[in-house]
Amino acid sequence: EPEVTQTPSHQVTQMGQEVILRCVPISNHLYFYWYRQILGQKVEFLVSFYNNEISEKSEIFDDQFSVERPDGSNFTLKIRSTKLEDSAMYFCASSVRTENTEAFFGQGTRLTVV
Amino acid sequence: AQSVAQPEDQVNVAEGNPLTVKCTYSVSGNPYLFWYVQYPNRGLQFLLKYITGDNLVKGSYGFEAEFNKSQTSFHLKKPSALVSDSALYFCAVRRNSGNTPLVFGKGTRLSVIA
Repeated sequence: EPEVTQTPSHQVTQMGQEVILRCVPISNHLYFYWYRQILGQKVEFLVSFYNNEISEKSEIFDDQFSVERPDGSNFTLKIRSTKLEDSAMYFCASSVRTENTEAFFGQGTRLTVV
Repeated sequence: AQSVAQPEDQVNVAEGNPLTVKCTYSVSGNPYLFWYVQYPNRGLQFLLKYITGDNLVKGSYGFEAEFNKSQTSFHLKKPSALVSDSALYFCAVRRNSGNTPLVFGKGTRLSVIA
């Protein structure tokens, strides 16, 4: 069964460093998302991406964040200068369409900023 | 704005007994509703969705959910709980127009006791 894969599974970084979280969505999917889950809290939407551009973003997704689909298969989330409060589990998701179709989630990348 | 409420942080049920995990939502227009399950150190797995049609929808692992428009609810149910059902359950809603993201509830931890 096709699945969304994320690497690395765990990333530890120092405050102020840049990190790139990587995702390979399911191959025939057209819509891509990043969510995050701070430990013990709800899953929060960050950004959605379609047709090589951001279609929607939340207030969390500020100038420190960016997304890219560099080669037609990978979908990356970059945090330019990490803060302690960026520590969370980051989930990538993809869907064939939007609206009435479910999104499939990767297993997540646990980001720890020290 | 869309929102989801899961009023119970924790639900405990004995194995073999029926289980209910509650969810209410708020959205402008008609909703698309989803349930996801998260096992420890795993991503979110899709369980079931309501798009249109029958108010009772059936999903994976014997779970079902009932859409109640007047009560704006979408409770998750299972007639006979298994210990392996113990996990974190998330309800999510999406507005039925445009490429809007899933909005998640805070999650309910289900514990099934043998």
